[in-house]
Amino acid sequence: GAVVSQHPSWVICKSGTSVKIECRSLDFQATTMFWYRQFPKQSLMLMATSNEGSKATYEQGVEKDKFLINHASLTLSTLTVTSAHPEDSSFYICSGLGRSYNEQFFGPGTRLTVL
Amino acid sequence: AQSVTQLGSHVSVSEGALVLLRCNYSSSVPPYLFWYVQYPNQGLQLLLKYTSAATLVKGINGFEAEFKKSETSFHLTKPSAHMSDAAEYFCAVIDQGGKLIFGQGTELSVKP
Repeated sequence: GAVVSQHPSWVICKSGTSVKIECRSLDFQATTMFWYRQFPKQSLMLMATSNEGSKATYEQGVEKDKFLINHASLTLSTLTVTSAHPEDSSFYICSGLGRSYNEQFFGPGTRLTVL
Repeated sequence: AQSVTQLGSHVSVSEGALVLLRCNYSSSVPPYLFWYVQYPNQGLQLLLKYTSAATLVKGINGFEAEFKKSETSFHLTKPSAHMSDAAEYFCAVIDQGGKLIFGQGTELSVKP
């Protein structure tokens, strides 16, 4: 099956710093990647959709200047949380969608804790 | 817009008992439907998917789901629960652009 990795798996940072999370499709080309945020005991909320080589499309209510998404290649997308604050602490999950697939393949998630 | 509703945020069963997790969808077109399982601090693992083929879909770990258009349902079942089935389960439907719309999730507890 298709595999998606995320790095780091967990990160702790101070308030005001920026954190970058990488999402890689290891054995397929992800033409589209999705970024989700999940708070404890809640469902996944889609933050943005990114297509390789173009700007990400953000969901309503998601600050694009705070959550910078780059999808520079067919196997790598990054999410940068800029000037992180404690309320940004969450579980961030990415997924990839290949050309020939009708399903998303999920990464293992990144636990972000902002002190 | 498509949507998914999972009835029951928490379901508790005894080990060996039937598992039934409910999912209803709202869609104006034939939907692609999915069930995912999530263990604590992990990503999502696909259990099974419906893509307009057979209405009874068999998945991993003994789970299956039946697509019922008349009831707009896609309930997940397993004949006999195992302790290792305790997890969070999400029903989802694909929307335009390949986006997934998730239900609220159902936490399954399995009692010994």
